[in-house]
Amino acid sequence: EDQVTQSPEALRLQEGESSSLNCSYTVSGLRGLFWYRQDPGKGPEFLFTLYSAGEEKEKERLKATLTKKESFLHITAPKPEDSATYLCAVQALLASGTYKYIFGTGTRLKVLA
Amino acid sequence: SQTIHQWPATLVQPVGSPLSLECTVEGTSNPNLYWYRQAAGRGLQLLFYSIGIDQISSEVPQNLSASRPQDRQFILSSKKLLLSDSGFYLCAWTGGVQLAKNIQYFGAGTRLSVL
Repeated sequence: EDQVTQSPEALRLQEGESSSLNCSYTVSGLRGLFWYRQDPGKGPEFLFTLYSAGEEKEKERLKATLTKKESFLHITAPKPEDSATYLCAVQALLASGTYKYIFGTGTRLKVLA
Repeated sequence: SQTIHQWPATLVQPVGSPLSLECTVEGTSNPNLYWYRQAAGRGLQLLFYSIGIDQISSEVPQNLSASRPQDRQFILSSKKLLLSDSGFYLCAWTGGVQLAKNIQYFGAGTRLSVL
């Protein structure tokens, strides 16, 4: 069964304390992996998309990496404004030629000043 | 640039009342459109997706329905709301250029409370 699992569920960091969020997946026909940031009561905001193992993307304090089984979102020297829920999703190609998106339940990140 | 609008932002409805949530996309044509529901502590659950007018697929059996009266308009409806319909509803679209075609962009969401 296609599945996306994110860990940890919640993470509290001190400002400046770097860490990583994990997204492991089991899916056939992976077309892409996506990271989103979601603030409370808001829609998810697109951060990165990764298409192949070994690929990396960076944006400010965030860096996303991809292997054949998992993706990491590295947060370097986080600030309180980085506090949010980070969602991971994969796009899987179905035998019918269509595709579907599968989301993880997210990691709630809290960065303390 | 493309933008997605979703309304209302919040809605409180009694059990058994009808529902209509609307989503429109601007700045693109023939987008793929999606309705999701997000429950606390759970991932996004796909409800409906549409690859064109009159082409709507349902993922989860329920008392909700979707319609696409225009190319860039997607509506989520119900004739009679249940308590279990409470949640955060999100509209999304794909269809950008080149590799970005498969990136989903989300609206601001609608918080629905059924009482």
